[in-house]
Amino acid sequence: GENVEQHPSTLSVQEGDSAVIKCTYSDSASNYFPWYKQELGKRPQLIIDIRSNVGEKKDQRIAVTLNKTAKHFSLHITETQPEDSAVYFCAAPPGGSYIPTFGRGTSLIVHP
Amino acid sequence: DVKVTQSSRYLVKRTGEKVFLECVQDMDHENMFWYRQDPGLGLRLIYFSYDVKMKEKGDIPEGYSVSREKKERFSLILESASTNQTSMYLCASSFDPEKLFFGSGTQLSVL
Repeated sequence: GENVEQHPSTLSVQEGDSAVIKCTYSDSASNYFPWYKQELGKRPQLIIDIRSNVGEKKDQRIAVTLNKTAKHFSLHITETQPEDSAVYFCAAPPGGSYIPTFGRGTSLIVHP
Repeated sequence: DVKVTQSSRYLVKRTGEKVFLECVQDMDHENMFWYRQDPGLGLRLIYFSYDVKMKEKGDIPEGYSVSREKKERFSLILESASTNQTSMYLCASSFDPEKLFFGSGTQLSVL
């Protein structure tokens, strides 16, 4: 099965700073890498995803990068705002499966 | 908007009780999932279903069972609740099998 490691578990930044969350995966056949955001008391929601044929994808202030050789992918948030405060989960389905294995989550705190 | 509805936001049960957690989705999705969320452990898959009456075990199925009699409804059953099953339970559904839509969760406390 897939093993997904996520770091750091907690990240505290000042408003306006950048934040980076990193995940590594074990199955080299994995080819889809989503990120979910869970605000306090709310449901996780997909915010961005990337497929293995792409090295980087951007959506306004968030971006995801993928290094297939090293088997790691990262979420980048620029110009952080207090509303970015949430728990972020990375995920990767093992090759041949569509069921994602989730990382343990990163609690991002953005201080005004 | 996809709507995944879990019947209870908070639930308190006694050890040994049989517990039913209900989930309904309104988008005709084929796939439905039950996850358990615990601090520091992320989201762990209990069971999933890719069609009516079809079910597959996830990573932590022990102590749980599921039922999917209708496409829109996926139920999680705790046959005999134990204190170590106190947790947040999240239901999800998907059409594109890779993109999950989650419900708001049920916080279950077993006393």
